[in-house]
Amino acid sequence: AQTVTQSQPEMSVQEAETVTLSCTYDTSESDYYLFWYKQPPSRQMILVIRQEAYKQQNATENRFSVNFQKAAKSFSLKISDSQLGDAAMYFCAYRSAGGGYALNFGKGTSLLVTP
Amino acid sequence: GAVVSQHPSRVICKSGTSVKIECRSLDFQATTMFWYRQFPKQSLMLMATSNEGSKATYEQGVEKDKFLINHASLTLSTLTVTSAHPEDSSFYICSARHSGGADGEQYFGPGTRLTVT
Repeated sequence: AQTVTQSQPEMSVQEAETVTLSCTYDTSESDYYLFWYKQPPSRQMILVIRQEAYKQQNATENRFSVNFQKAAKSFSLKISDSQLGDAAMYFCAYRSAGGGYALNFGKGTSLLVTP
Repeated sequence: GAVVSQHPSRVICKSGTSVKIECRSLDFQATTMFWYRQFPKQSLMLMATSNEGSKATYEQGVEKDKFLINHASLTLSTLTVTSAHPEDSSFYICSARHSGGADGEQYFGPGTRLTVT
């Protein structure tokens, strides 16, 4: 079974600064998808960014970008120009490319943004 | 587009009673829906995979007789917690896989907070 590890239970960043959230995973598969989800206090899960394992280019979405290192099985999220609205729980998730489509989540990182 | 609703958003029930939670894909068809459980300050744990027209697939350790899942249409899956006990109190989240979407994109409902007294 695939495991997803987020080693930072909590992180803090000042407004307008940059922060990187870490995620590592363990898999024997060669084709898969990786995701970062944001869960604000409302508890609604929001997709931040996704990465297909077969793509070497790192995904970016506006202020959010990832550093995908397939050989190292690492998938970190960089948030640039942090905003107060970025404060939330962030979950890294893994999904196999074939089969069930269920997501396997890490334990999450709570991000605090200070003014 | 791609909106998933859950009803109710929160429910309080007495120990020993059953409660049903609905998950609907409002503007797309979903042959597969997923049910997750989230305890406070913890991650989402997959409970079961719900496939339209067939029996749900439960994760190890999840009692299928306690958590009844029905996926009777392409837009509706229900989770019934039978004979609920206080330890079943949790936040339940569903997600729906867009049948026509690229790479089977999943969309999450807003969750249901269940409190068993």
